[in-house]
Amino acid sequence: DTGVSQDPRHKITKRGQNVTFRCDPISEHNRLYWYRQTLGQGPEFLTYFQNEAQLEKSRLLSDRFSAERPKGSFSTLEIQRTEQGDSAMYLCASSQGQNTGELFFGEGSRLTVL
Amino acid sequence: AQTVTQSQPEMSVQEAETVTLSCTYDTSESDYYLFWYKQPPSRQMILVIRQEAYKQQNATENRFSVNFQKAAKSFSLKISDSQLGDAAMYFCAYRRFDGTASKLTFGTGTRLQVTL
Repeated sequence: DTGVSQDPRHKITKRGQNVTFRCDPISEHNRLYWYRQTLGQGPEFLTYFQNEAQLEKSRLLSDRFSAERPKGSFSTLEIQRTEQGDSAMYLCASSQGQNTGELFFGEGSRLTVL
Repeated sequence: AQTVTQSQPEMSVQEAETVTLSCTYDTSESDYYLFWYKQPPSRQMILVIRQEAYKQQNATENRFSVNFQKAAKSFSLKISDSQLGDAAMYFCAYRRFDGTASKLTFGTGTRLQVTL
């Protein structure tokens, strides 16, 4: 068990470019979550999946954001036409089975938009 | 909508002393989970302690304990015998108990410094 892994750890891009982040959850976990964290704030929910189904999306997730989880394994979060306000840490978390509550987090992908 | 409030942006404690971090929340639900997560600098967030709202007994995990006051919607974290490794951001979080994969709602966090 290697935990939740995220790639890349850091991404610097110019405004208007597209970026994609990948998350590999703990292998037996069927639930996967994306959060966004800006400096000095707590994580804000973006979206989550149960297996390959995207069950909830936050209003924070504008039409420039899209997330997928094909085959219910890894997930990608794509941001199109990035804006400076998109600069943040993007956290992925996973959990298993019944509603015990605990989420296991990755180390995050930090995005800087110049 | 559920909200979680942490009114202490920063706290400081001397090594071996005890510190209490505060958290209040707002919900109309009767069943839910509450959590404290720790986020060390440049490291991933990890669970410190969990409390089920239907349990009257306060949760305890080694040096960490909570004071859960359901009527007051208060959920504080007490760290005893503080260690240098306890220095981190601490987030209080709420999760609805609805049998599905509902999301965690986090507070804004408290930065804990541990001094010698």
